[in-house]
Amino acid sequence: ETGVTQTPRHLVMGMTNKKSLKCEQHLGHNAMYWYKQSAKKPLELMFVYNFKEQTENNSVPSRFSPECPNSSHLFLHLHTLQPEDSALYLCASSQVPGDSAGELFFGEGSRLTVL
Amino acid sequence: SQKIEQNSEALNIQEGKTATLTCNYTNYSPAYLQWYRQDPGRGPVFLLLIRENEKEKRKERLKVTFDTTLKQSLFHITASQPADSATYLCALGLLSGNTPLVFGKGTRLSVIA
Repeated sequence: ETGVTQTPRHLVMGMTNKKSLKCEQHLGHNAMYWYKQSAKKPLELMFVYNFKEQTENNSVPSRFSPECPNSSHLFLHLHTLQPEDSALYLCASSQVPGDSAGELFFGEGSRLTVL
Repeated sequence: SQKIEQNSEALNIQEGKTATLTCNYTNYSPAYLQWYRQDPGRGPVFLLLIRENEKEKRKERLKVTFDTTLKQSLFHITASQPADSATYLCALGLLSGNTPLVFGKGTRLSVIA
């Protein structure tokens, strides 16, 4: 399998549930990202990991908890979410540093609905 | 304040015509700019990169220009086809290397047969 794979593709959860989104990249990249995409808004960067170390946390509420056990896997743990957290959550990877100019490779996204 | 504006939320054009999408920015000094294509329910796909010292880049039917004086990038699709219908995102790269990209909202292009 190649590219960036996200599971599940669709998730419906109640506000009291705990769930996790998973991302796996098969590109040998050393940086991974979580983005949130809501209707009529730009992509919002949530978290960045370089070489498994978190380098950005873009003022994301603590109900979102990332985990990066190795440079190929990234998780987003979800608990006590709000309906406004319903969105498409996109994982991406890139090769940094170098001359790549940060081209991102995205997964297909996980569509989250919070009831 | 810093802004990235993709001027049209939606753009409809006739098949065979050239589609031109704009990306304007204020209070940024990007080192490079990227364009992505996103289909409904899918993740964005990288199309083209243009650096601050480049005026124009081409790839098949795609052409991107970058004017750092006007603070604007134009994205052209020549001989457009219905299969080109998608949302197109511009993204600014503020430094080389691992500084995260900043994205615009996107323009939804519809090519009508």
